Amino acid sequence: GEDVEQSLFLSVREGDSSVINCTYTDSSSTYLYWYKQEPGAGLQLLTYIFSNMDMKQDQRLTVLLNKKDKHLSLRIADTQTGDSAIYFCAEDNFGNEKLTFGTGTRLTIIP
Amino acid sequence: IAGITQAPTSQILAAGRRMTLRCTQDMRHNAMYWYRQDLGLGLRLIHYSNTAGTTGKGEVPDGYSVSRANTDDFPLTLASAVPSQTSVYFCASRATGPGDSPLHFGNGTRLTVT
Repeated sequence: GEDVEQSLFLSVREGDSSVINCTYTDSSSTYLYWYKQEPGAGLQLLTYIFSNMDMKQDQRLTVLLNKKDKHLSLRIADTQTGDSAIYFCAEDNFGNEKLTFGTGTRLTIIP
Repeated sequence: IAGITQAPTSQILAAGRRMTLRCTQDMRHNAMYWYRQDLGLGLRLIHYSNTAGTTGKGEVPDGYSVSRANTDDFPLTLASAVPSQTSVYFCASRATGPGDSPLHFGNGTRLTVT
């Protein structure tokens, strides 16, 4: 079955860049998503990338996709305290009934 | 504001009791989902519905049931709650089926079974 893996924790100094990594196993993935979860809240869609793209940039967010290695990353430039959250990657394809989520990476900002 | 409403926000429930978690969306999305979130396990799909009148089982369906009588509502029922069902439950929806639209999430229901 499909599997999505992320490291559980990441600590970054305020103002530095954060890079959150994700690997997945389903080679037929069509969309790959990044969601953000703040304490006590549901998941908010941050950005997503279609599988025929290598990169997508949206303000401070850059998504990189290496389809050959099945590796997805989310880079947050100039990390701020408001970026503290859990970040989930998820993969999707037309053959599945559901998104498959990673375990989430808890991003902690060091002042 | 369009979105997904879940109720209750939180609940403490005695083991053996029956409980229905409510989920309503006003975006006219066809597909709806119930996930549970547990520390270190991420989100696991309980049940889903691709359109009104149909439902399907996810990864962890045992002990839960759902119904989809109309487009907007997708309640999740625990027939006889057990402590292992202590979790945060999220309802989600999307416009169409898999592969071509992102999920929108409710704010969750925190359930504690004692």
